[in-house]
Amino acid sequence: SQQGEEDPQALSIQEGENATMNCSYKTSINNLQWYRQNSGRGLVHLILIRSNEREKHSGRLRVTLDTSKKSSSLLITASRAADTASYFCAMTPPSNYQLIWGAGTKLIIKP
Amino acid sequence: EAQVTQNPRYLITVTGKKLTVTCSQNMNHEYMSWYRQDPGLGLRQIYYSMNVEVTDKGDVPEGYKVSRKEKRNFPLILESPSPNQTSLYFCASSSPGRSGGSGEQYFGPGTRLTVT
Repeated sequence: SQQGEEDPQALSIQEGENATMNCSYKTSINNLQWYRQNSGRGLVHLILIRSNEREKHSGRLRVTLDTSKKSSSLLITASRAADTASYFCAMTPPSNYQLIWGAGTKLIIKP
Repeated sequence: EAQVTQNPRYLITVTGKKLTVTCSQNMNHEYMSWYRQDPGLGLRQIYYSMNVEVTDKGDVPEGYKVSRKEKRNFPLILESPSPNQTSLYFCASSSPGRSGGSGEQYFGPGTRLTVT
């Protein structure tokens, strides 16, 4: 079910700059996950943040979660050309294992 | 190596000719799922399975069938493919998250299907 929304739809920045993507959702959630997809390939899990967590880091990635606003953001610091990909957020409702997906943000890093 | 495999990776077929896309995972995951991805529409779930012999419809199940006879396999069946099923298909698997819900999903490499 696609009840997640991401913005921007597309983002183009210079290498070395920071990239921020946002995700909003409508239902209550158990956790929220971010995935990366290189063109036409399978999605790769980046990070999972639980509903009782507010911030999580993994390398150059920083994810925040605000359950009161039903929103999350993914920050990629010091971007590299290899970060060029589409990024998706996905939420798990408390009641089941289904993931609710956002439509994705297409990130282009210019060398 | 932990992985989800799909076969075939590419398939061109004609309308009405039954086909099966296989999916297999070696991580002993309970949960498996099929998605299709179309330009501008993101990922849409077709069917999912919580465990052996337990399957349920996702958002776009029409024209598809699945079965889960073994924990590791979750084939997707198109009994009578039509051109509107031309798409990129992904299989995924996961275990429950540590505090409930879905944990990290592992995706297969995708199957690009063209129905003429």
